[in-house]
Amino acid sequence: EDQVTQSPEALRLQEGESSSLNCSYTVSGLRGLFWYRQDPGKGPEFLFTLYSAGEEKEKERLKATLTKKESFLHITAPKPEDSATYLCAVQFSSNYKLTFGKGTLLTMNP
Amino acid sequence: EADIYQTPRYLVIGTGKKITLECSQTMGHDKMYWYQQDPGMELHLIHYSYGVNSTEKGDLSSESTVSRIRTEHFPLTLESARPSHTSQYLCASSVIPGTGDLPTEAFFGQGTRLTVV
Repeated sequence: EDQVTQSPEALRLQEGESSSLNCSYTVSGLRGLFWYRQDPGKGPEFLFTLYSAGEEKEKERLKATLTKKESFLHITAPKPEDSATYLCAVQFSSNYKLTFGKGTLLTMNP
Repeated sequence: EADIYQTPRYLVIGTGKKITLECSQTMGHDKMYWYQQDPGMELHLIHYSYGVNSTEKGDLSSESTVSRIRTEHFPLTLESARPSHTSQYLCASSVIPGTGDLPTEAFFGQGTRLTVV
């Protein structure tokens, strides 16, 4: 069965302390991997799409990378406003359905 | 910023009532989805649609029903609400890529937090 696993479940950082979030997947055929940010009580906000191993995308303090079995979301010098749950979703086949991981809750210490 | 809207944002309703959650998008997307999300848990797909008059059940069994009479509108209905239906419901839409094209991202609404008492 196709699965998406995110780690850690929760992460607490000091301002300026860089870290990486992991998304690993067991897949029969990856078509695309998506990163989203979700604030409490709101819908997910799209961040990045990755399609093939070796691909990288950057946006401000965030950088997403993809290998054959996992993706990393690197957060460089995070700020308090980066506190959120970061979700990884994978499209495995051509039916457009996304399989989501449970997310990583990032909390920035004030 | 994505133009997809859900109403109401919050709903508290009694057991046995019929409810309809509204979802509209102004992006002209063919593909629309409904996800259910409990606190601290992953999103589960409950319904999706490829376009007008197309609806399919998702991976998570749900007692809700959906309709797609217009491209921009994808309402979800519960005929008789129960406490087990208490959850957050998220609507999303995306472009259907052309043959051989790569998949595109889905854009989400702000969600409806449903509480059935």
